[in-house]
Amino acid sequence: KAGVTQTPRYLIKTRGQQVTLSCSPISGHRSVSWYQQTPGQGLQFLFEYFSETQRNKGNFPGRFSGRQFSNSRSEMNVSTLELGDSALYLCASQREVGTDTQYFGPGTRLTVL
Amino acid sequence: AQSVAQPEDQVNVAEGNPLTVKCTYSVSGNPYLFWYVQYPNRGLQFLLKYITGDNLVKGSYGFEAEFNKSQTSFHLKKPSALVSDSALYFCAVRDPISSGSARQLTFGSGTQLTVLP
Repeated sequence: KAGVTQTPRYLIKTRGQQVTLSCSPISGHRSVSWYQQTPGQGLQFLFEYFSETQRNKGNFPGRFSGRQFSNSRSEMNVSTLELGDSALYLCASQREVGTDTQYFGPGTRLTVL
Repeated sequence: AQSVAQPEDQVNVAEGNPLTVKCTYSVSGNPYLFWYVQYPNRGLQFLLKYITGDNLVKGSYGFEAEFNKSQTSFHLKKPSALVSDSALYFCAVRDPISSGSARQLTFGSGTQLTVLP
């Protein structure tokens, strides 16, 4: 089975711009979660989607949003980018919401200048 | 609220020696525990998990972990380290009886393992 794929792998944006990141889960997985990884804050949970519905949301401002499509693919959007948004954004998929193992994609490295 | 602690930012070990990466956790119920490894510029790769049953869990690449409920620990071990094991290791916990965002994986801060040739 193909793993979780994320596009693009690298992005450079300037402050004030917006960005959209994409994630395709493992075939058959219906839950997608997003995490932000930074050297200072470590891995922080952004949100989780299941069946096109946001099930959980972490403690991030409303500039961070996401959605899930009927084929389980997911996108996350960050508007009005700030320098502090520079991070590795990781997507993880699992079969169902709850206790299954999450499998991670390679991440999208976002740099905000 | 659930939490995970990885008390060592850095662990160095000689190739061929046994390695241990420490993890302690705090949850209100019975924990689901996970270990992941991250190589440079890569995502997290699943190594092993403990849900229930035998306290010694075997995973990928010769790694194993021991669940100790009384010490609330889940240390990662390998009998003989390889240089290729050098990477960043994350312990994570999920509390299955929590609701909302608390049901998500909570990660430790990570431990950088360096295996010296």
